Amino acid sequence: SQELEQSPQSLIVQEGKNLTINCTSSKTLYGLYWYKQKYGEGLIFLMMLQKGGEEKSHEKITAKLDEKKQQSSLHITASQPSHAGIYLCGADGRNGGSQGNLIFGKGTKLSVKP
Amino acid sequence: NAGVTQTPKFRILKIGQSMTLQCTQDMNHNYMYWYRQDPGMGLKLIYYSVGAGITDKGEVPNGYNVSRSTTEDFPLRLELAAPSQTSVYFCASKLAGVTDTQYFGPGTRLTVL
Repeated sequence: SQELEQSPQSLIVQEGKNLTINCTSSKTLYGLYWYKQKYGEGLIFLMMLQKGGEEKSHEKITAKLDEKKQQSSLHITASQPSHAGIYLCGADGRNGGSQGNLIFGKGTKLSVKP
Repeated sequence: NAGVTQTPKFRILKIGQSMTLQCTQDMNHNYMYWYRQDPGMGLKLIYYSVGAGITDKGEVPNGYNVSRSTTEDFPLRLELAAPSQTSVYFCASKLAGVTDTQYFGPGTRLTVL
């Protein structure tokens, strides 16, 4: 079965600093989703990547899918307290013959110190 | 659009009790999913549905049941609650395509004592 490993597990950064979160898959990624979760809230969709080499940006967050399609990174530029939360990567589970469900990593907890 | 809504937000159950977690979406999505999230873990798929009247098991279905009588609603039933079912439950939906985005509800935090 496919597994996603996220690193680091947790991260504390000073406001204004840049940071990167990685998501590595045990199998080829056919679709990689990034979500953000705040305590007591659901998952907020950030971005979806499909093609190797693809890069998408929204405001100060950039996500990339590497050429070999087994790793994705999420980069936040000039972090702000509003970026704090848990970032989850999810992969299209078709490797396991699924019906469109997502397989998730364990998440990266980001804290931003003002 | 309210998106995906879930009720209740919080619930405490005693061992052996039963309850239904409600999930409704107003986006006319065909696919709906139930996940559970345990502390420090990713989400695990419990059940899913590809349309009204069609449901199937996910990775961790034991102790749960679902039904899908309408496109909008996808309730999750817990029979004989056990402490191992203490978790946060998320409902999600998406249109139908493989690359369509899944949208999540706010979750139900369940504690079984």
